[in-house]
This record gives sequence, C-alpha cells and structure tokens, in this order.
Amino acid sequence: QKEVEQDPGPLSVPEGAIVSLNCTYSNSAFQYFMWYRQYSRKGPELLMYTYSSGNKEDGRFTAQVDKSSKYISLFIRDSQPSDSATYLCAMSLGGSQGNLIFGKGTKLSVKP
Amino acid sequence: EPEVTQTPSHQVTQMGQEVILRCVPISNHLYFYWYRQILGQKVEFLVSFYNNEISEKSEIFDDQFSVERPDGSNFTLKIRSTKLEDSAMYFCASSEGSAHEQYFGPGTRLTVT
Repeated sequence: QKEVEQDPGPLSVPEGAIVSLNCTYSNSAFQYFMWYRQYSRKGPELLMYTYSSGNKEDGRFTAQVDKSSKYISLFIRDSQPSDSATYLCAMSLGGSQGNLIFGKGTKLSVKP
Repeated sequence: EPEVTQTPSHQVTQMGQEVILRCVPISNHLYFYWYRQILGQKVEFLVSFYNNEISEKSEIFDDQFSVERPDGSNFTLKIRSTKLEDSAMYFCASSEGSAHEQYFGPGTRLTVT
C-alpha cells in the first residue's frame, strides 16, 4: 500500500466553483499535513499546513484533516483561472523527522 | 520576499560524468533539503542537512550522492557518476526550524544522455 495516495486528475472546473482536493494516507504516525501548489516547471509553493486533526482557513483556501479516516482535503472557494496548477499534498512525522512524503499531485484547471 | 534560488536551471550531462547542483537557501534558515521529481512521478525526499551534517537520507541517496555547505550561503548536491535514471528535476528546500514549513527553489532540470 502506497503511503500517500492522491487522485492525479485532471480536474476541470468553471471559474467561481468550489474545488475539493483530497489525499489518503496509510501511516497513522503522520503529524503535519501540508498543501503545496506547483505551476508547470516550477518548484512547489507552500500554501498551508495543519497539525494533527482539524480545519485551517486562509483566505479562499480551507484545509481539513481527519486522522481517524486518514483523509485530508483542501477546499478552494471562488476558484480563479490563476488557481490552475498541480496541487500536492505532503505529510511528515514531525519532531526530528524533516522529510516530506508527497502525493502525486492533482492537476487543476479553472476555466474562465 | 526571500526565496530559495537554484543554479543552473537546466543541466545536460553525459552518463558517467559528475554534476554539482547549487542552491542558495533563504538566509536565516537552518535546515536544508534536496528532493527530486522524475517526470510524471512524485516529489521524493533525498536528504536533509543541519548543522553541517546530514540528519536524514533516503534509500535513493546512495554513495554516488553527496551534499556540502561550502560557505555561509551555498548548499550543493553532487552526483559523482551520473546514470540515465538520474534524469529528473532536483529541488532544494530550506526551513527556519520547522520541517513542515519548507520553502522550495525553482529546481534544476538534470538531463543525463
């Protein structure tokens, strides 16, 4: 079983739609859950992180973690064409374990 | 806004040659990382570096790889004898102290022919 699973898409939505991106994971020891945005041929850009279970909101973005289900989500409200990118989830054990375990990424296209 | 920079943006090399990929982390950051992303695949962790020594490495980071912080600003990844399967994007990242807040550079595309 792969450690972090993410539907690669592609996902295409109209401008203004609410987007839901998800990842599942198998290692219950993960403590930190990150979402990165990656534009074509660029480096991953950190959007937000969540520690343990719960929700976190930053502008149009909301991250949710459900550790009991080993399931994390990123919601994008009022999506814009500039949100078109690949969204990567990443996780870490925390503490001295600094390496991030990434999902494969979901390619999102927001059509004007 | 401070950012991680990487040079070169694209490196083409022949199989068996040595390459050095360079990174300048964000200036007040203490933890440094290398990741790679083979085309169409996940971003994979290679190595982390703190206080002038390797703190973690993955199975990918074998004896052909090495890292160094030769001065107060640069962080390098050396591949001693490149193989075709080393062709990938290599990303450098740094963090101030929290591993969950890693900031990535734009990457170096390595092509081994």
